Amino acid sequence: AQSVTQPDIHITVSEGASLELRCNYSYGATPYLFWYVQSPGQGLQLLLKYFSGDTLVQGIKGFEAEFKRSQSSFNLRKPSVHWSDAAEYFCAVGPLNTDKLIFGTGTRLQVFP
Amino acid sequence: EAGVVQSPRYKIIEKKQPVAFWCNPISGHNTLYWYRQNLGQGPELLIRYENEEAVDDSQLPKDRFSAERLKGVDSTLKIQPAELGDSAVYLCASTHSRDRGRHEQFFGPGTRLTVL
Repeated sequence: AQSVTQPDIHITVSEGASLELRCNYSYGATPYLFWYVQSPGQGLQLLLKYFSGDTLVQGIKGFEAEFKRSQSSFNLRKPSVHWSDAAEYFCAVGPLNTDKLIFGTGTRLQVFP
Repeated sequence: EAGVVQSPRYKIIEKKQPVAFWCNPISGHNTLYWYRQNLGQGPELLIRYENEEAVDDSQLPKDRFSAERLKGVDSTLKIQPAELGDSAVYLCASTHSRDRGRHEQFFGPGTRLTVL
C-alpha cells in the first residue's frame, strides 16, 4: 500500500539555524512528490514538487528538497529558518497518472528567536 | 485570482444534528476534492469530482456523508447525523485534471467542525 512517513512529529529550531524535515514514502514506482505548508487557520500551500529530472528541487520561501530514490526519501531543507516559517509541514505523494495525494502525518515546526 | 473559498469557517453542533459545508473552487478548475483532517493528522481524501461526476468516493462514509457538485462548480458536503468522531477540519481543494497528477492542488482554508 502507498504510504508516507514523517518520523518527526515536532521540531524546534532557533531562528537562523538550518532545517531538515524528513519524509519517506512507500510506493512501487517513483511517485510525484510534494511538500505543503499549513499555517494556523490557513489552507495548505505548496512549497515544491518533484516529478522527474534533477533530484534537487527548489521551492518558494527559500526551501529545497532532495529526492533520493535509494532511500525512498524526499527531505525538505532550508539553510536559515525565519520565525515566520513556524507552521505544520506535510509531505505528500501522488501516485502516477492519478489526481490523488496521500499525505504524511505532518511535522510541526517551532522557531525560537 | 481568487483562491478556493469555503464556508463556514467554523461550525459547532450537537451530535445527531445535520451540517453542511460549502466550497467554491478556483475558476476554471474542473477537479474538486474534499478532505478531512483530524487533529494531528494529514488530510485524507473523502471524495474527488471531475466536473459534476464523483470519480472517487471510496473513502466517503456513505451512511452519513453525502456530497454534490450539481453544475460542476460549487460543491456541498453534508453530514447527517453528525457524530462526535466527525470533529475535524474539512478541506476543499481544486485543480485542473489535464496532465494528470502533475498539477498543484489549491486548498481552501477549511471548515473546522466541532461536534458536542
